[in-house]
Amino acid sequence: AQTVTQSQPEMSVQEAETVTLSCTYDTSESDYYLFWYKQPPSRQMILVIRQEAYKQQNATENRFSVNFQKAAKSFSLKISDSQLGDAAMYFCAYRINYGGSQGNLIFGKGTKLSVKP
Amino acid sequence: DTGVSQDPRHKITKRGQNVTFRCDPISEHNRLYWYRQTLGQGPEFLTYFQNEAQLEKSRLLSDRFSAERPKGSFSTLEIQRTEQGDSAMYLCASSLLHSNTGELFFGEGSRLTVL
Repeated sequence: AQTVTQSQPEMSVQEAETVTLSCTYDTSESDYYLFWYKQPPSRQMILVIRQEAYKQQNATENRFSVNFQKAAKSFSLKISDSQLGDAAMYFCAYRINYGGSQGNLIFGKGTKLSVKP
Repeated sequence: DTGVSQDPRHKITKRGQNVTFRCDPISEHNRLYWYRQTLGQGPEFLTYFQNEAQLEKSRLLSDRFSAERPKGSFSTLEIQRTEQGDSAMYLCASSLLHSNTGELFFGEGSRLTVL
């Protein structure tokens, strides 16, 4: 069975600094997606960044980037120039890709990120 | 399209009562998912539909839970004889069957409190 592990229940970063959130996963599949979702307090979950397993290049979205190590089954999120609005729960998630049709999303337990002014 | 919408946003009920939640997905999305999220935890998969067919149910979905998507559009999740352990946020998400991005789009959730 596929599992996603986030080993940091809470993290804190100073505004304008950089922080890295860790995620490891376990799967025997070769074709899948990995995601980082952000869930602000009492707000809906939104996608931060995604990575396709067959792509070696790490995904980037403005201040957000990932370090995808497929062999190590590691998928960390780096947030640069942290802003107060980045404070939220961050969930790492995995989704298998069956030849273009995807399975359900499997989440880690989340990391609560606090940003200090 | 305003995205995935869920109703009600909050529900407080007494133990033993039945509750029903509704989810309206993004209109062209043929897949619809239900998740349960307890405080401080990640969302846990409950069930999903492809059009009107319920294709997978988690073992978390006890006999007291039933979900429907009768016309392949909106979906309902009913919990019968609620228990305090059912208190959680119930999240709905939708996606295309064949998606280039693999992304699920989430609603704001329906928070259930069972007294």
